[in-house]
Amino acid sequence: EVQLVESGGGLVQPGGCLRLSCAGSGLTFTNYWMHWVRQVPGKGLVWVSRISVDGNITNYADSVRGRFTISRDNANNTLYLQMNTLKVEDTAVYYCSSEPKASPGRQLNYWGQGTLVTVSS
Amino acid sequence: DIRMTQSPSSLSASVGDRVTITCRASQSIGTYLNWYQQKRGKAPELLIYATSSLQSGVPSRFSGSVSGTDFTLTISSLQAEDFATYYCQQSYSTPRTFGQGTKVEIQ
Repeated sequence: EVQLVESGGGLVQPGGCLRLSCAGSGLTFTNYWMHWVRQVPGKGLVWVSRISVDGNITNYADSVRGRFTISRDNANNTLYLQMNTLKVEDTAVYYCSSEPKASPGRQLNYWGQGTLVTVSS
Repeated sequence: DIRMTQSPSSLSASVGDRVTITCRASQSIGTYLNWYQQKRGKAPELLIYATSSLQSGVPSRFSGSVSGTDFTLTISSLQAEDFATYYCQQSYSTPRTFGQGTKVEIQ
């Protein structure tokens, strides 16, 4: 069974930082691009970032570029999201998700359960 | 950025109804359009990828189609377990934008 398990969420003050982790199991991690998607409770899904299989290609939403850094450790099947200079508007549930490489739709086929990040003073 | 306009934002339907949800892309995205289902308090799940391919394990009452830049998700006969919020997402380019979502409620 494939599992993606996020951790690292919590309460942080504006301007603070947090690092999210996403541990993968039951899948060949190096067969997947990995993404972060966030969702303000009660609102829609918003794509945040993605990283290539080897980590050499990264992309970000404009709202987080320069503040967030996505990375991965393929030896340990783990995805990360380093979040710096956090803003109140970064408050959301953060999901990690996988995109099979060379997939016909570049679809997000597995999702974690999400971790809540709350930015508040 | 590619804008995905999803409609309606919500709908009420009964078990057995045929339901159609539409997503319009602001530019050509080929067939790079995926549909996800999200139930309350849960993570999204992939339903349909590449416009019309059914994800493994998804019931055949779900289908997807396209006309130009207008993409459609159809549920042929709504079941109780289908009451959820549905999102389209373009995967043509980054940022990988989602539609606003369509909440399907019990009538």
